[in-house]
Amino acid sequence: KAGVTQTPRYLIKTRGQQVTLSCSPISGHRSVSWYQQTPGQGLQFLFEYFSETQRNKGNFPGRFSGRQFSNSRSEMNVSTLELGDSALYLCASSVTPRGAYEQYFGPGTRLTVT
Amino acid sequence: GESVGLHLPTLSVQEGDNSIINCAYSNSASDYFIWYKQESGKGPQFIIDIRSNMDKRQGQRVTVLLNKTVKHLSLQIAATQPGDSAVYFCAESVSWGKLQFGAGTQVVVTP
Repeated sequence: KAGVTQTPRYLIKTRGQQVTLSCSPISGHRSVSWYQQTPGQGLQFLFEYFSETQRNKGNFPGRFSGRQFSNSRSEMNVSTLELGDSALYLCASSVTPRGAYEQYFGPGTRLTVT
Repeated sequence: GESVGLHLPTLSVQEGDNSIINCAYSNSASDYFIWYKQESGKGPQFIIDIRSNMDKRQGQRVTVLLNKTVKHLSLQIAATQPGDSAVYFCAESVSWGKLQFGAGTQVVVTP
């Protein structure tokens, strides 16, 4: 079974621009969670989607948003990029509809904001 | 932020020895815990999990111990190999779709 895939793997953007990242979960997984990883803050939860609905959201500004499609694929968008948004963005999928169990991560998208 | 990653402790272990990685978690109500391994340039890789109704769980060369009294989790790796060199994270389930991660431990395996 194919793992979680994320595209693109690398991105370089300029301050003020916006970016969209994509995540395809493991087949059959309907829950998709997004995390930001930085050296200073570690892994921080952004949001989670299940059946096209955002069920949970972390402590990030409204510039960070996401959505999920009927095939469980998910996208996250960051508008008006800031230098501090440079990070590894990870998505994780899970088959379980409750809680946060058995999350499997993709390779991440490395975003650099200049 | 909710997960502080300012300092990454390092565990240096000789090849063939056993490794023990420790983690303190914060939420007494957490009912599920996971250990992940992250190699450079890759996403976290699921190693083993444990539910709060268990004290110990074994996998292939790995054992996770859970002490709910002191909110402590540990990962034991038997016969550590060079391929075990990575950063190891513990995580606890805190709410829908949300794992809260520890700061991580860098494991360096020396020949």
